[in-house]
Amino acid sequence: DQQVKQNSPSLSVQEGRISILNCDYTNSMFDYFLWYKKYPAEGPTFLISISSIKDKNEDGRFTVFLNKSAKHLSLHIVPSQPGDSAVYFCASVFNKFYFGSGTKLNVKP
Amino acid sequence: GAGVSQSPSNKVTEKGKDVELRCDPISGHTALYWYRQSLGQGLEFLIYFQGNSAPDKSGLPSDRFSAERTGGSVSTLTIQRTQQEDSAVYLCASSAGGGRETQYFGPGTRLLVL
Repeated sequence: DQQVKQNSPSLSVQEGRISILNCDYTNSMFDYFLWYKKYPAEGPTFLISISSIKDKNEDGRFTVFLNKSAKHLSLHIVPSQPGDSAVYFCASVFNKFYFGSGTKLNVKP
Repeated sequence: GAGVSQSPSNKVTEKGKDVELRCDPISGHTALYWYRQSLGQGLEFLIYFQGNSAPDKSGLPSDRFSAERTGGSVSTLTIQRTQQEDSAVYLCASSAGGGRETQYFGPGTRLLVL
């Protein structure tokens, strides 16, 4: 029973445009959410997080939005760069981390 | 280099053999996690250590899987009598204190069971 879902396995975006990665969760007890980025042959690296008491957190080109009523999380990357091409995992936390299956982002030059 | 390290980076083994995977966490991190990523799948939680004890081993898929941690540092994940479905990338992560503390991942061990 997957409690965190990333329904888009891949996304392709032109350089300079916005990338929007989505994540849905089912457990209303989750109170902390994170995005990780993973390059091939490397482990995931932490990107940005948000607490359930907020609905937006911004860090440079990266913004995470949280819609608790919809149990939906999204990551916006603006502007997208070719170096952003990677697999992005969302994670939801209640006592432990629950990861989604990842979305592979390809930013075309 | 103060990051999480894992060894070996790649392991090819024959079905039925035992394998040991090693994780060196970031120095001072009390929490250590093992995950598995099968092809096309997300990160599957296996086990969590706080210090040398494992308060949550609910993700271990069968009794062929075991893990230990010694000295509050290095951890070893052992898979006995490997099966082809064990083929995956095994990732280790550590964090300063568990809970919602950011987890820092190692590069993973790619296991292929023939």
